[in-house]
Amino acid sequence: DAGVIQSPRHEVTEMGQEVTLRCKPISGHDYLFWYRQTMMRGLELLIYFNNNVPIDDSGMPEDRFSAKMPNASFSTLKIQPSEPRDSAVYFCASTVRDRGETQYFGPGTRLLVL
Amino acid sequence: QKEVEQNSGPLSVPEGAIASLNCTYSDRGSQSFFWYRQYSGKSPELIMFIYSNGDKEDGRFTAQLNKASQYVSLLIRDSQPSDSATYLCAVRDDKIIFGKGTRLHILP
Repeated sequence: DAGVIQSPRHEVTEMGQEVTLRCKPISGHDYLFWYRQTMMRGLELLIYFNNNVPIDDSGMPEDRFSAKMPNASFSTLKIQPSEPRDSAVYFCASTVRDRGETQYFGPGTRLLVL
Repeated sequence: QKEVEQNSGPLSVPEGAIASLNCTYSDRGSQSFFWYRQYSGKSPELIMFIYSNGDKEDGRFTAQLNKASQYVSLLIRDSQPSDSATYLCAVRDDKIIFGKGTRLHILP
């Protein structure tokens, strides 16, 4: 299996622009998670889906952030408008909720907002 | 607010020695506990999980959980240079919360 796929791997944009991050989970996984990692705040859970349905979005920092999962093999995280404080590495992870609860992380998208 | 605390390090340990990583958490309702390893510039990968009080061993790794003290630790025996990484403690009740990680440096 190819693992969790994220695109783009790197994104540099200017403040005010729209940013869309993409994720393809591992086939057969029914949970998908979006995380943000910064030096100051560490790894934070933004939102997670179960069977394409958003379950908990309490970690989404503000209305500028939105996430969708239109089908089992694709999810997007959108920031509109972007701000310099959104600069971070954004990870997508997927899992099957068995007893092991192993989350498989994608390689991440490194976002820089100028 | 639920918190997971870790010493940021760096923790320097000679090769072949035991590395001990510690984590405390605030939510007594937490049910699942995880240790992730993250190499610089890479994504986190799960190395251990534990649910019950006591020790859980997997190869050179041992996770220890003490729910009464709200404390979870990771021991790495026979430390190798390849163990040099940041180790993230994570705790789950209704959702998963990560600590900021401890940087471990194994000295050759």
